[in-house]
Amino acid sequence: RKEVEQDPGPFNVPEGATVAFNCTYSNSASQSFFWYRQDCRKEPKLLMSVYSSGNEDGRFTAQLNRASQYISLLIRDSKLSDSATYLCVVNAGGGADGLTFGKGTHLIIQP
Amino acid sequence: AAGVIQSPRHLIKEKRETATLKCYPIPRHDTVYWYQQGPGQDPQFLISFYEKMQSDKGSIPDRFSAQQFSDYHSELNMSSLELGDSALYFCASSLAGSGIGELFFGEGSRLTVL
Repeated sequence: RKEVEQDPGPFNVPEGATVAFNCTYSNSASQSFFWYRQDCRKEPKLLMSVYSSGNEDGRFTAQLNRASQYISLLIRDSKLSDSATYLCVVNAGGGADGLTFGKGTHLIIQP
Repeated sequence: AAGVIQSPRHLIKEKRETATLKCYPIPRHDTVYWYQQGPGQDPQFLISFYEKMQSDKGSIPDRFSAQQFSDYHSELNMSSLELGDSALYFCASSLAGSGIGELFFGEGSRLTVL
């Protein structure tokens, strides 16, 4: 079982809708969590860190559920430009080797 | 603002050849990471350096080596290239104090092995 799992999608969502996807992690000792966005054939870019209390940045909301070992990303009022692959990243500690990327969830916003 | 610079952006090599990728981190960032991303795959951690010393090692093949120089730029050397080495190679940098996970990636070097 992979340490970090995501539904690969694709999620096809009409513009303006709200979409949410989860990421589960297997290591209960994981310390920090992040969402990255990656456009096709481009580099990953940090979207937001995920805090225990949850955090919001504009239309984006990230939540952490330690009991069930998952993090979530909610996108409200989706835009065409939100189309991308969203990578979940989990830091299990122990240095850079403990940083694990999920395979990503592919999101397509349709006009 | 200055970002992570990688070169070359594209590289085509034959099997058994060698290749060298270069990375210039964001100024004042003290940690450099190398990742390999195959088609449809997630980035796989290869190796990292903190203050010019190797700090962590991931799934880097023995045919690969890397180092960080006094000006903080890093090079990934790949020898005896195999078809399976074809991938996008990302370099990322960060400030150690910002915590592991907040990485700034370069645009990547696409290696094609024929």
